[in-house]
Amino acid sequence: DIQMTQSPSSLSASVGDRVTITCRASQDIRSHLSWYQQKPGKIPKLLIYEASTLQSGVPSRFSGSGSGTDFTLTISSLQPEDVAIYYCQKYNIDPLTFGGGTKVEIK
Amino acid sequence: QVQLQQSGQGLVRPSQTLSLTCAISGDTVSNSSATWNWIRQSPSRGLEWLGRTLYRSHWASDYAPFLRGRITVNPDTSNNQFSLQLNSVTPDDTGVYYCARERDWAGIDQWGQGTLVTVSS
Repeated sequence: DIQMTQSPSSLSASVGDRVTITCRASQDIRSHLSWYQQKPGKIPKLLIYEASTLQSGVPSRFSGSGSGTDFTLTISSLQPEDVAIYYCQKYNIDPLTFGGGTKVEIK
Repeated sequence: QVQLQQSGQGLVRPSQTLSLTCAISGDTVSNSSATWNWIRQSPSRGLEWLGRTLYRSHWASDYAPFLRGRITVNPDTSNNQFSLQLNSVTPDDTGVYYCARERDWAGIDQWGQGTLVTVSS
C-alpha cells in the first residue's frame, strides 16, 4: 500500500506568515492528491484536489503544488481562522490513504 | 445541494456487528462519476478510509486491506443510500464514523455529520 507522510506534525506561526506543509507519497501518485482542513469539532473540508486545483469557495491564500511523490500546501498569509489540522489524501487508487495531519496554530 | 445523513447505533458490544446507513439527497448512489465511502477517525489512528461502493456499468466495492473479511459496504438503490457493516468489532474500532462522497479525480467534497461509535461491554 502507498503510505502518505506529512511534515511537520505541528507548527506555530504568526498571523500574516507564509506557511508550508509537505506531504510525501511512498510511490508515484501522479497528481491524485487532495488537501483537507479540519477545525476542532468539525468535519473535514476539501481545500484542494488534483494537487493544485482550488475547491470552489476556498480562499485564494490556499494553494497546492507538486506531482509524483512530493506535494505542498501553502497558506500565503496565515489568518486566525486557519487554525486547524490539515490532511493530505491520495485518491482514485484504493485504498485511499490519509496523511497523519499537521496541526497549525497561531503564535 | 448534496446532503449525506447518517443513522445507526452509537454503542456496539465487542464481537457484535456495527451497522450504519448513509442516506443521500441531491445526488444518487448510482452516479457513475462518484464513489460512496466510509471513513473513521480516532485520536490514535487519525483519519482512516474503510471502504466504498461505486457504480461503473456494474456495482463494485473496495475495502481497506486491514479490514478485509470484516467489512461490507452495500448500495441501496431503492432508498438512495449506502450502508456499512463491520463484523466482530473490538474496542479498537471505537471512533467517529463518516460517510462521504468522492467525485472522480476531485477528492471528497461531501461528508456526513459523523457518528460516534463506541465499542464497549
